[in-house]
Amino acid sequence: DTEVTQTPKHLVMGMTNKKSLKCEQHMGHRAMYWYKQKAKKPPELMFVYSYEKLSINESVPSRFSPECPNSSLLNLHLHALQPEDSALYLCASSPGLQETQYFGPGTRLLVL
Amino acid sequence: QKEVEQDPGPLSVPEGAIVSLNCTYSNSAFQYFMWYRQYSRKGPELLMYTYSSGNKEDGRFTAQVDKSSKYISLFIRDSQPSDSATYLCAMSAHRGSTLGRLYFGRGTQLTVWP
Repeated sequence: DTEVTQTPKHLVMGMTNKKSLKCEQHMGHRAMYWYKQKAKKPPELMFVYSYEKLSINESVPSRFSPECPNSSLLNLHLHALQPEDSALYLCASSPGLQETQYFGPGTRLLVL
Repeated sequence: QKEVEQDPGPLSVPEGAIVSLNCTYSNSAFQYFMWYRQYSRKGPELLMYTYSSGNKEDGRFTAQVDKSSKYISLFIRDSQPSDSATYLCAMSAHRGSTLGRLYFGRGTQLTVWP
């Protein structure tokens, strides 16, 4: 299994909603990442987990809250988002922090 | 100056052409170089991964790294309409505060027409 899976594929939420994005990998990778990608831009790093501990937080607003329940799962909890948060949210994983990252298909988020 | 520069295109070529995609960078600490392909509204897919200088070939794809010039290239031979996508270069240093970070180019949008 060489896949990173993400659910849901699409999400529409209002500014007062609370929702969660989920990411899963079964490659035994110990590093997992959240990225945000706007149209015609490269992915922007949000959070990095290494061995289930938060390693990097790129000064992301607190309305985004990551969680790594175990080595295979990564969640991104969303609360009180703004319309400008609408984007493609990508999860990635790598065997370790020094190794190549493999991306999931993304969750396309629209905030109304 | 951005750390990684990549011409966004768009680049349009006929089927069967050889495509050359390039990135330049300024950080001499970069040692790991990747090319990702991203279809519209999908996640990036790793195409090629190279460590340090040299060439790497995989089927129709060849990646080249010239660290002395801080220049990397991806060549696509016998291009196909299915190669139409955005190609992102990415690189990393894997040391200190940069551990776990990928530095991306803007991406080049490629269209291969039949």
